[in-house]
Amino acid sequence: TQLLEQSPQFLSIQEGENLTVYCNSSSVFSSLQWYRQEPGEGPVLLVTVVTGGEVKKLKRLTFQFGDARKDSSLHITAAQPGDTGLYLCAGARAGGTSYGKLTFGQGTILTVHP
Amino acid sequence: EAGVAQSPRYKIIEKRQSVAFWCNPISGHATLYWYQQILGQGPKLLIQFQNNGVVDDSQLPKDRFSAERLKGVDSTLKIQPAKLEDSAVYLCASSLVPGLAGEQFFGPGTRLTVL
Repeated sequence: TQLLEQSPQFLSIQEGENLTVYCNSSSVFSSLQWYRQEPGEGPVLLVTVVTGGEVKKLKRLTFQFGDARKDSSLHITAAQPGDTGLYLCAGARAGGTSYGKLTFGQGTILTVHP
Repeated sequence: EAGVAQSPRYKIIEKRQSVAFWCNPISGHATLYWYQQILGQGPKLLIQFQNNGVVDDSQLPKDRFSAERLKGVDSTLKIQPAKLEDSAVYLCASSLVPGLAGEQFFGPGTRLTVL
């Protein structure tokens, strides 16, 4: 069983602070995605990283895929209350019946206070 | 473009009763997924369809759960009989093609409470 461990599970910060969420596994993934989920809604894709060492920036969000493609991080600069939500990492592996199947981490609940 | 539609949004049943959820994916999306998301956890894949064929149902509790996608479009997920531990949000997602970097589009989910 491939497991993705996210940390921290809960994060409560003040507006303007920076934060980092980690996603770690003992398995190698061909690609890794980050989703954001708001209460009562389904997850929405933020980014996909496919190359070891890849760094992608999306406004105040920076995503990194580890060199060995086993881990990833999400860094938010100057967090805003609108960033509040559940952040999920999800890994995909190639080959066989696993093709395209996503394994999700347990999520990080972020609360940004005004 | 319309998103993934799911109904009902909420359902409350007693244990041992039956329940069914419906999903209409984004038009043209060949791949459809059903996930179970228990409170405080990430989504867990129950079943994946490619058109109307099952690609992966390894984590579907087949003694009580069933799913179908008869015409390769809409899908239904059924639980019969329900147990307390089935209380969760059931998410449907679709993608244009399955793939390593393919984006999955999720519906709003059905929140099931089993009493």
